[in-house]
Amino acid sequence: GQQLNQSPQSMFIQEGEDVSMNCTSSSIFNTWLWYKQDPGEGPVLLIALYKAGELTSNGRLTAQFGITRKDSFLNISASIPSDVGIYFCAGPWGTYKYIFGTGTRLKVLA
Amino acid sequence: DTGVSQDPRHKITKRGQNVTFRCDPISEHNRLYWYRQTLGQGPEFLTYFQNEAQLEKSRLLSDRFSAERPKGSFSTLEIQRTEQGDSAMYLCASNHEGYPPYNEQFFGPGTRLTVL
Repeated sequence: GQQLNQSPQSMFIQEGEDVSMNCTSSSIFNTWLWYKQDPGEGPVLLIALYKAGELTSNGRLTAQFGITRKDSFLNISASIPSDVGIYFCAGPWGTYKYIFGTGTRLKVLA
Repeated sequence: DTGVSQDPRHKITKRGQNVTFRCDPISEHNRLYWYRQTLGQGPEFLTYFQNEAQLEKSRLLSDRFSAERPKGSFSTLEIQRTEQGDSAMYLCASNHEGYPPYNEQFFGPGTRLTVL
């Protein structure tokens, strides 16, 4: 079935470093959503992208909708300890479904 | 707080028992979704309601699972004769078809189910 592949699977970074992660699909999407999930909690929406090439920021977070519409990128600048968590990309699939990526686990070393 | 709420947050049950979870979506959101998330994985779609109508069900939703949204507001997810493989986080999300941003889903905190 359709999958969204995220890379890297996990990363350890030093506080203050910038982080980049991506999400790829074999199919075209018309919307990309980026979520962050803390342990034991539901995903929280960070950024939504609606047009190919779109670049959107939310504080230290910047996400881009890939030109091919088959990928998306999320960057976090100047990471802080509370950025720890799992980052998921997601998109609508079919009429009503949404599918989620495999997740990127971020750990920040103080 | 006007976010999506779920109850209970945690449920421990013995194999073979029935369990029911509740989700209260954001007010006036007419679309409601249930997902299951196992450790180390992203959420997997289970079912979708538009108002009170259940319009799509995943093949993951076996005969032991049933979901309702009787008045188009809150929803319940029942699992009958639970099995250890049902242990997971059950997430509820909502959004609204009538106004943008149409595609943004908002999640509740989830119900963590442990089947012993």
